[in-house]
Amino acid sequence: EVQLVESGGGLVMPGGSLRLSCAVSGLTFSDAWLNWVRQAPGKGLEWVGRIKSKGSGGTTDYPASVKGRFTISRDDSKDTLYLQMNSLKIEDTAVYYCTWQGTQLNFFHSWGQGALVTVSS
Amino acid sequence: EIVLTQSPGSLSLSPGERATLSCRASQSISRSYLAWYQQRPGQAPRLLIYGASTRVTGVPDRISGGGSGTDFSLTISSLEPEDFAVYYCQQYDSSPCTFGQGTKVEIK
Repeated sequence: EVQLVESGGGLVMPGGSLRLSCAVSGLTFSDAWLNWVRQAPGKGLEWVGRIKSKGSGGTTDYPASVKGRFTISRDDSKDTLYLQMNSLKIEDTAVYYCTWQGTQLNFFHSWGQGALVTVSS
Repeated sequence: EIVLTQSPGSLSLSPGERATLSCRASQSISRSYLAWYQQRPGQAPRLLIYGASTRVTGVPDRISGGGSGTDFSLTISSLEPEDFAVYYCQQYDSSPCTFGQGTKVEIK
């Protein structure tokens, strides 16, 4: 069974930075294409970005809303995914989910339980 | 980017009734690259269907998906208590992938 466990959420001031981690088990991490998806309180889902496996180039993709502020990285030696968030805005407040896409198609087979990030002064 | 509009916003039904949820895309989704997720209160979303109509292993066959082009649907033939939740559609035909705003299925 694939398991994804996020950590690192918390309260941060506008303009600040935060790094989320996601520990992954139950699959061959180095082959996995992984994503972050967020959900603002009481709202819908928004894709935040993806990192491909190193074998597929290890490249990242982001939507315009976070491009240049958020960076996704991976440590295949630790089976861990990261989301570095800089220049945080109040509208970045959300639960952030780590997700696994089981194929090269960008839909999400497995989800973590989420990490709450609150941006507030 | 492709905008997905789900309707209705909420649906109030009784257990045993049939639910039909709609997801309309702002432009045609080729290859039926559309997925459906279920989110119960306090839980992460769960993948139900991909490729518009392929059920994930373990999803009961009372839940089915269909459609093509710009119009897609999710049908629950006979609602069970565990089906009362919010459902989201998602297109992965073009980047960025996008989600609909959700349909809440409530107990009447």
